[in-house]
Formats: sequence, C-alpha cells, structure tokens
Amino acid sequence: GESVGLHLPTLSVQEGDNSIINCAYSNSASDYFIWYKQESGKGPQFIIDIRSNMDKRQGQRVTVLLNKTVKHLSLQIAATQPGDSAVYFCADGSGEYGNKLVFGAGTILRVKS
Amino acid sequence: GAGVSQSPRYKVAKRGQDVALRCDPISGHVSLFWYQQALGQGPEFLTYFQNEAQLDKSGLPSDRFFAERPEGSVSTLKIQRTQQEDSAVYLCASTPGGGMGNTEAFFGQGTRLTVV
Repeated sequence: GESVGLHLPTLSVQEGDNSIINCAYSNSASDYFIWYKQESGKGPQFIIDIRSNMDKRQGQRVTVLLNKTVKHLSLQIAATQPGDSAVYFCADGSGEYGNKLVFGAGTILRVKS
Repeated sequence: GAGVSQSPRYKVAKRGQDVALRCDPISGHVSLFWYQQALGQGPEFLTYFQNEAQLDKSGLPSDRFFAERPEGSVSTLKIQRTQQEDSAVYLCASTPGGGMGNTEAFFGQGTRLTVV
C-alpha cells in the first residue's frame, strides 16, 4: 500500500493562471534558499534561489518570496504552462560548508489545459 | 557530457548483496554531493566532497554506506549488505565551487535502487 510520504500536497491550476507554491522551513540560521523542480524520472532542476538578506527575487516567469519572521518561502509562477507540471521542492542551505541542502516534502503542480 | 551522469540508471539487488553506484560530475566541478530520495519524499543529504576530500559524511545512514572520490572527479557510492530500506533513488549533484551557497547545483538523473 501507499505510504504517508506519497500523499504530497497537490496544486491544480488552469493553463495560463498564476501558481503559488508555499513552503515552511525550520532552521532559522539558514541563509540560502532554493526552489527545485523535479519531473518524473529526473533529478531536481534548479529554478531560483534567494539569500536571507533579501525578501524577494524575480526570474523569468518565477518569483520567490522569503518571510524570515514566519520562516516561510513561496514560489510564484506566472502564466503557468503544461511544462510546469512537476513536483516542486524548497530547500535551505546549511552545514559547515554551506554544503547541505535540507529539502521540504514537495508539492505536486498539475496544470490543466 | 554536458551534465551530471549517473550509472546504472536502475539497479535491482538481492538483500545482502553489495552495490556500487557511479557519478560522473560536470567536468571541473569542485564539489560533489550524494543524496538519497525515498519514494514521494524530498532528497536527503548523504555526503559531500570537495575535490577528493570527503568533508561531510554526516548523512550516511550506517557504516554499510561508503563513498569515495579518489581523484577528485568520478565518485562511487557503495552500499554493503543491502537491506530493503535502502531502496531509493540515489542522486548525485555537483557545483563549480565549494559548497552550495549562492551557486547552482546540477543534479544527475539518479540511480533507482530496488532491494528485493
């Protein structure tokens, strides 16, 4: 049978709409945060990152918002496309060498055409 | 190749068997990381190399897990006496400089290990 870990939160959006994926982190000492996209059968793919001295960073069609007060990250995807369908993970950097990424549980994004 | 390459893509091992998973990082990348991803979960850190030095192995779950990068390029993750709980996708990533801070990490496609 399925394990609890398979029950990832799922966000379903209509093609062309904006998507917002949320993430909470626990390590208040983290100073680096990243969003990854993972398609089925592939490794995680870097989307965008942000350092703790910023609260917003924009990329192409994506924006990351960081709220350090409540330890919350969000990823906004503008004009969502079918190719955006994937599992999205937030991660924060830790470790003595900034080497260790701690990943969240992930959110499934499904884009309906 | 242009990206991080891992082999084999799939491995089925009988319980108790030893396995070796290979990672070819992007040429010239200093840092190499191994992560373990159980089904439906996010990747979990196993170990980190800077060139040939293994600087952090705090994520290795037991002494059955061993990783090496003898010449500072290709890395091998070895699991001895595999157990069913070792079944997962093993991901390798590399970055040009030291660590992951403020730099994009490139992940391979992973090796899916199934222990039967």
